[in-house]
Amino acid sequence: GDSVTQMEGPVTLSEEAFLTINCTYTATGYPSLFWYVQYPGEGLQLLLKATKADDKGSNKGFEATYRKETTSFHLEKGSVQVSDSAVYFCALPAGGTSYGKLTFGQGTILTVHP
Amino acid sequence: EAGVAQSPRYKIIEKRQSVAFWCNPISGHATLYWYQQILGQGPKLLIQFQNNGVVDDSQLPKDRFSAERLKGVDSTLKIQPAKLEDSAVYLCASSLDPGVKDGYTFGSGTRLTVV
Repeated sequence: GDSVTQMEGPVTLSEEAFLTINCTYTATGYPSLFWYVQYPGEGLQLLLKATKADDKGSNKGFEATYRKETTSFHLEKGSVQVSDSAVYFCALPAGGTSYGKLTFGQGTILTVHP
Repeated sequence: EAGVAQSPRYKIIEKRQSVAFWCNPISGHATLYWYQQILGQGPKLLIQFQNNGVVDDSQLPKDRFSAERLKGVDSTLKIQPAKLEDSAVYLCASSLDPGVKDGYTFGSGTRLTVV
């Protein structure tokens, strides 16, 4: 079935450092791809999405490009802030008969130090 | 617009007790989801409703978990009896339609601790 693999964490960076969190997927066809963020003690928030191959999703300085050649959707930010400390999840629709279901990666914990 | 509301935020119970969680989706959202998020893992779907009908409950442990969505609005998820491994955050989400092309909106979750 469709699946997502995220890079192992946690990731610890200093403020203003460059961030990359890797995500690769296995899917039938070209589903939408998502990055969700979960701040401490909160639910998941949609950070950005891309609905077709070669699309770039962006929000709050974060970007991710839907690359079908490498089946990847890596999350990047040029200069992280302490407030970006959170858990980041890559996700895609489960596919097949599981219409509406999202399959999530295991999450990557990001900690940004001043 | 108001977000997805969940209550309670936290719950601690002993094993073999019962517990119920409540969710009020965004107004007008026909599709409602319950996810279970165990510490250190991504959320996993327990059940999906379309209006007040069940679309997918294949991952719901039906011997102890039950869920309902009366009148196609609010939903309740119940666990009876609870086990230690049910300790997790229970997330409710809703979307306007059953497709997931644009993602959907999650509530803040209920953190359950079973002792």
